[in-house]
Parts: sequence; C-alpha cells; structure tokens
Amino acid sequence: DAKTTQPPSMDCAEGRAANLPCNHSTISGNEYVYWYRQIHSQGPQYIIHGLKNNETNEMASLIITEDRKSSTLILPHATLRDTAVYYCIVKNSGYALNFGKGTSLLVTP
Amino acid sequence: NAGVMQNPRHLVRRRGQEARLRCSPMKGHSHVYWYRQLPEEGLKFMVYLQKENIIDESGMPKERFSAEFPKEGPSILRIQQVVRGDSAAYFCASSKRGASGSTDTQYFGPGTRLTVL
Repeated sequence: DAKTTQPPSMDCAEGRAANLPCNHSTISGNEYVYWYRQIHSQGPQYIIHGLKNNETNEMASLIITEDRKSSTLILPHATLRDTAVYYCIVKNSGYALNFGKGTSLLVTP
Repeated sequence: NAGVMQNPRHLVRRRGQEARLRCSPMKGHSHVYWYRQLPEEGLKFMVYLQKENIIDESGMPKERFSAEFPKEGPSILRIQQVVRGDSAAYFCASSKRGASGSTDTQYFGPGTRLTVL
C-alpha cells in the first residue's frame, strides 16, 4: 500500500470548515483513499473513501486531485465533537488498514 | 441496526492468566479483522478471518496469540499466559465482503481494553 503523509496537528474554529490534507504521491491506479477518525480512545470511525472522483456523504467531502497524489478531507462545519485524530489510508486489495500517526484535529470554541 | 460489538469492554488479568476477547460483526458481515493499539501508538493489523477460516495472520505474534471465527457465535481473540506488554486496546472490525474492491469498508467496534497486572 502507498505511504501517506499528514500534518501532525491542526486547529479549527467551531463552525468553520476543517480541511485536512493528505499526500500519497506513490498511490497506484487501483488503490483507494480511505479516511477514518478516532475520537479519544474509541474505536476508529469510518468517514469516507474514494478512488478518483470527489465524494460527499453526510459527514464529509473528499477531494482527490486529478493526478491522485494528494487529497483533502473537508468537514464543512466543524463542531467540538469533531475533535479527533484523522487517518488517511491508501488501500489496495490487501486486508490490512495501515494506520499511520494521522492528524490530531482540535476544534476550538 | 447494531454495529460491531465487542466484549468485555475492559478486562484485567494477572500475568500468566488467559484473556479471551469476543467480537460480534455487524449484521450481514462475514469478515472479521483484529487490530491492536499499544499505548501512545497507532493501530496495527493482527489477523483477518472469515467464518471457520483464518485468511491472513501476518500481524499476529507467533506465540501465545490465537484467533478463531466459528460457524456459530462471535470471533474470539485468545491470549495465553499474558504479560504486561500485552496491555493494549484490541479493536475488531467487520466487513461485508472480502478485502478486494471498494465494498470492503471495515467498520470498527468500541474495543476491549486489556490491562495486565
């Protein structure tokens, strides 16, 4: 699976959009980009995933660049409950999700 | 619409005892994955099972750890003769299909926190 690079931490004001970047320059054509988050020490929560096209669901939007070497997770209106560690994971047909260190997002009042 | 269930949520064992962790997948899911998160570290894949089959156990420690997913009942992660280094959060995930394709999203349970005294 391709390696991903994320900033270690980010801040966001409550009510504003949180834009979390991820670099995956070695991604190959059949690899998906997945995003999970872990709030405190709870189980990881699936957010969204995509292959080439931008995706949106009730939680977030995923913007993947045309060359697929980077992506951005967008939480449109961050709340205090969105404070968590966010993981960008590139996955092919293998079984394991490779959780790196992720980005620790702090949403402030 | 129950999610992945794990029990117990907290487990305390003394060194040398056995720990049994249980995982019930989401309804309609027949694939189970176990991950371990050591203190202050990321989640690490341990094992992937389908009903009655271990598909990939490349992340499992070679000794004392075993996993099963019987035809009936939950998946079990078993740790024999626990040591202090086994203290961690153990998370189970399930998926509807196998690992290939975009429809194999893994959904995680709340975890079991094992403390070895």
